[in-house]
Amino acid sequence: DQQVKQNSPSLSVQEGRISILNCDYTNSMFDYFLWYKKYPAEGPTFLISISSIKDKNEDGRFTVFLNKSAKHLSLHIVPSQPGDSAVYFCAASTTNSGGSNYKLTFGKGTLLTVNP
Amino acid sequence: GAVVSQHPSRVICKSGTSVKIECRSLDFQATTMFWYRQFPKQSLMLMATSNEGSKATYEQGVEKDKFLINHASLTLSTLTVTSAHPEDSSFYICSARRGWRRGHGYTFGSGTRLTVV
Repeated sequence: DQQVKQNSPSLSVQEGRISILNCDYTNSMFDYFLWYKKYPAEGPTFLISISSIKDKNEDGRFTVFLNKSAKHLSLHIVPSQPGDSAVYFCAASTTNSGGSNYKLTFGKGTLLTVNP
Repeated sequence: GAVVSQHPSRVICKSGTSVKIECRSLDFQATTMFWYRQFPKQSLMLMATSNEGSKATYEQGVEKDKFLINHASLTLSTLTVTSAHPEDSSFYICSARRGWRRGHGYTFGSGTRLTVV
């Protein structure tokens, strides 16, 4: 039972355009969401997060939108750059996940390719 | 920034032997460390959570006697794959977390590619 779903295994965009990566979740107890970027043979690096009390969080070229009623979040990257090419993982946690440990549940990832 | 060092990055071992993977937080004290396993084109699957000085909490379906986790200090956690078999071949990643508040980030190691032959 996949609680965090990234239904698009890959996405290709042109440099300078907007990249939109989507993520859906099924567990209504999730209240904190994160996006990670991962290169091959490396660990994920944190990009941006959002708490369920917000519907938008912005950091430079990265913006995360959260639609709690639809249990959907998206990551917007604008403008996209070739260096953004990587696998992007969506992750979620709950306040009650492992007590104070806040375990993360990951999606399968979306491979973003930004073409020059 | 927070750095987590994971070693080795790549290891090949014979079936039946044991392999130890180390995860160190270099510039912060990790209150909690997580161990993940990733299969090709799959998500990171949490194997276990460990807090310094206490026993690890394993996820359902993860054999605690096969995947031994030790978190002896606030900067070091180890994962030992005992009696490794080819099906244990995978990419293993650790993650360290500072503090207890939700805002504290999770820093990941660079991962270990284990191949059991």
